[in-house]
Parts: sequence; C-alpha cells; structure tokens
Amino acid sequence: DAKTTQPPSMDCAEGRAANLPCNHSTISGNEYVYWYRQIHSQGPQYIIHGLKNNETNEMASLIITEDRKSSTLILPHATLRDTAVYYCIVRVAGAAGNKLTFGGGTRVLVKP
Amino acid sequence: NAGVTQTPKFQVLKTGQSMTLQCAQDMNHNSMYWYRQDPGMGLRLIYYSASEGTTDKGEVPNGYNVSRLNKREFSLRLESAAPSQTSVYFCASSGKTGGTMNTEAFFGQGTRLTVV
Repeated sequence: DAKTTQPPSMDCAEGRAANLPCNHSTISGNEYVYWYRQIHSQGPQYIIHGLKNNETNEMASLIITEDRKSSTLILPHATLRDTAVYYCIVRVAGAAGNKLTFGGGTRVLVKP
Repeated sequence: NAGVTQTPKFQVLKTGQSMTLQCAQDMNHNSMYWYRQDPGMGLRLIYYSASEGTTDKGEVPNGYNVSRLNKREFSLRLESAAPSQTSVYFCASSGKTGGTMNTEAFFGQGTRLTVV
C-alpha cells in the first residue's frame, strides 16, 4: 500500500469548513483513497473513500487532484464533535484481506 | 446488528500470563483484522484473515497468535504477556454484506490491556 503524509495537527473554528490535506504521491492506479477518524480512543470510523472523482456523503466531501497524488477531506461545517484524529489511507478496494495501513493522522481540534 | 464486538473491554495481566482476546462480527464479512494502538500513536496491524481458514502476519506479529474460528470469530492470543504489549487492541472486519462488496472496514470499540 502507498504511504501517505498528513500534517500532525490543525485547529478549526466551529461552524467553519475544515480542510484536511493528504499527500499520496506514490499511489497506484488501482488504489483508492480512504478517510477514517478516531474520536477519543474509540474504534476508527469510516468517513468516505474515492478513486479519482470527487465524492460527497452526509459526513464530508473528498477532493482528489487530477494526478491523484494528493487529496483534501472537507468537513463543511465543523462541530465540536468533529474533534478527532483523521487518517488518510490508500488501499486496493474490494480485494479479500486488503489491509488498512494507518499513519500518524491529523489531530483536528474544533474550537468554539 | 451489533457490528464488531470485542471482549473483554479492559484487562490487567501480570508478566508471563496468557490470555485470549475475542472478536466477533455479525455482518457476514470475509476479512477480519487485529490492530494495536500505543498511546499517541496510529494503529499497527498485528494479524489479519482474508477469509475463513486463512491468516497472515501484519506489521507487528511477534508475541501473538491468532485463530479464525469460523467466519464470525477471530481471536488474538498472547501466550506470555510482556509489558511492551500494554496497548489498546482493535478488531475490524470488512467484506461483502449481502450482494454488495463493502470496501470500508468496521472497527470494534477496543480492548484496553495493561501488562504489569
């Protein structure tokens, strides 16, 4: 699996959009970009994933650059409950036993 | 539908003791995983099972054994616990649900293990 690089921490104001960058310059053509978050040492929670098109769901939006070497997770209106560690992961989707390799993630603090 | 259930939630062991961490999923997933997370660190893969009857080593397998008992259950065993194995252990599963391949992984709430 390709490695990812994320800033170690960032702050965000409540109600504002939070933009979390991720660099994955060695991503392969069949690897997807996944985002998970971990709130206060709970089990990680899936947020969103994508291959090359931008994706949106009820939690967030994912913007992937055209060359697929980087992406941005957008939390459109951050709340205090979005304070968590956010992990960007690249992996082959759908294959049995495909592993999730976690890096250090970005610790996001949403402030009132 | 409970998702991924881990037992116990907390455990304290003495050095040299053995124990088994249990994990069960009710989503009919093929693949299951065991991770450990040390304080302030990301998750590291210990072992995984791509499907019933198969297991493979992850990043940090030393000191652990696993058993894929059936499709639902994947256990992690510490034969002789060491203080370096003090950590939070997470089980996860992923795979098909019904006719759809769900590619995201679902995690349990973790087992907090302290070895003294």
